[in-house]
Amino acid sequence: KAGVTQTPRYLIKTRGQQVTLSCSPISGHRSVSWYQQTPGQGLQFLFEYFSETQRNKGNFPGRFSGRQFSNSRSEMNVSTLELGDSALYLCASSLDRDRGTYNEQFFGPGTRLTVL
Amino acid sequence: GNSVTQMEGPVTLSEEAFLTINCTYTATGYPSLFWYVQYPGEGLQLLLKATKADDKGSNKGFEATYRKETTSFHLEKGSVQVSDSAVYFCASGGGSYIPTFGRGTSLIVHP
Repeated sequence: KAGVTQTPRYLIKTRGQQVTLSCSPISGHRSVSWYQQTPGQGLQFLFEYFSETQRNKGNFPGRFSGRQFSNSRSEMNVSTLELGDSALYLCASSLDRDRGTYNEQFFGPGTRLTVL
Repeated sequence: GNSVTQMEGPVTLSEEAFLTINCTYTATGYPSLFWYVQYPGEGLQLLLKATKADDKGSNKGFEATYRKETTSFHLEKGSVQVSDSAVYFCASGGGSYIPTFGRGTSLIVHP
């Protein structure tokens, strides 16, 4: 079974531009979460989508948005890029997330975004 | 809000040494607790988990026990190998809890 794939693997953008990152979850997984990883802040939760609906959101500004398609693939968008947005963006998928239980998350390799 | 604190690295050990990476958490209620491992150039992989107090998670020789009284979930391994060199993340979450990760602890094992 193929793992979580993320495209592109590397991106270089300039301040003020916008960027779209893509994530394809493991087949059959309906929950997709996004994380930002930086040396200074560590791993921070951005948002989670399940069945095309945002189910949870971390503490990030509105410039960060996402969506999920009917095939569970997900995209995240960052508008008006800032230097501080440079990070590794990780996507994780899981079968489901019932309240009170935990389903293992499978992470992709990430997209390395550099903002100049 | 919820938070996870883990010891800073790098932790440098010789092969076959005993490993402990400390992790403590703050949360309202009782989240599930996890250890993830990240090898260079890869995403995180779930190493082990515990979903309630006194549960012990174990995998590949690694163990961690959910201690409610000390709000801790320390990772241990009796004899590390060079192949264990990676970054280890402690995390809380599950159910209605937003996942919260520690900063990560780099482990370097020398032959």
